Amino acid sequence: NAGVMQNPRHLVRRRGQEARLRCSPMKGHSHVYWYRQLPEEGLKFMVYLQKENIIDESGMPKERFSAEFPKEGPSILRIQQVVRGDSAAYFCASSPSADRSYEQYFGPGTRLTVT
Amino acid sequence: AQSVTQLDSHVSVSEGTPVLLRCNYSSSYSPSLFWYVQHPNKGLQLLLKYTSAATLVKGINGFEAEFKKSETSFHLTKPSAHMSDAAEYFCVVSYYNQGGKLIFGQGTELSVKP
Repeated sequence: NAGVMQNPRHLVRRRGQEARLRCSPMKGHSHVYWYRQLPEEGLKFMVYLQKENIIDESGMPKERFSAEFPKEGPSILRIQQVVRGDSAAYFCASSPSADRSYEQYFGPGTRLTVT
Repeated sequence: AQSVTQLDSHVSVSEGTPVLLRCNYSSSYSPSLFWYVQHPNKGLQLLLKYTSAATLVKGINGFEAEFKKSETSFHLTKPSAHMSDAAEYFCVVSYYNQGGKLIFGQGTELSVKP
């Protein structure tokens, strides 16, 4: 059973471009979480999705950021018109259940650099 | 606000000596608590978790943690540090009715000297 996959592992964008980060959850997992790790900071929750539904986006910036988890295919975190402050590591995690007793399995992360 | 505090941003120990990484959480009904480890430029790996069963939780690689409700603490310990333990450690909490959302502490960087 392959783990959580994220691609690309490293992404460089110029200010004003769009960034698309992909996350393929573990097989059988229908719950996906995105977290952001800014330099010198811990991880912060961004958004929680189930197939075709956004359940909790309380951690997402109100502008330029969006996420989806379609019926088929990976979950996508999209950042429009990137700025230098978006430079961070973005981690995706998946779980078979939203029950907090279940472990979330993390992907290796996508490291976004905005130049 | 619901939160978790790691009391040390950096801990340095010598190989073979005990490790103690401290964590306190904001009080709430029946939290779930986790410790994750992150090696440089890698993803996060679960070390152990507490979900209202035994208060002393054993994890991988010889780590363990004790849930103390009266002190709202969940400190991580290991009797004898190994060089490979050098990494960033995160104390994490999840609260009831939060959809499994994880709240991370700021992290503690563990250095192990030979």
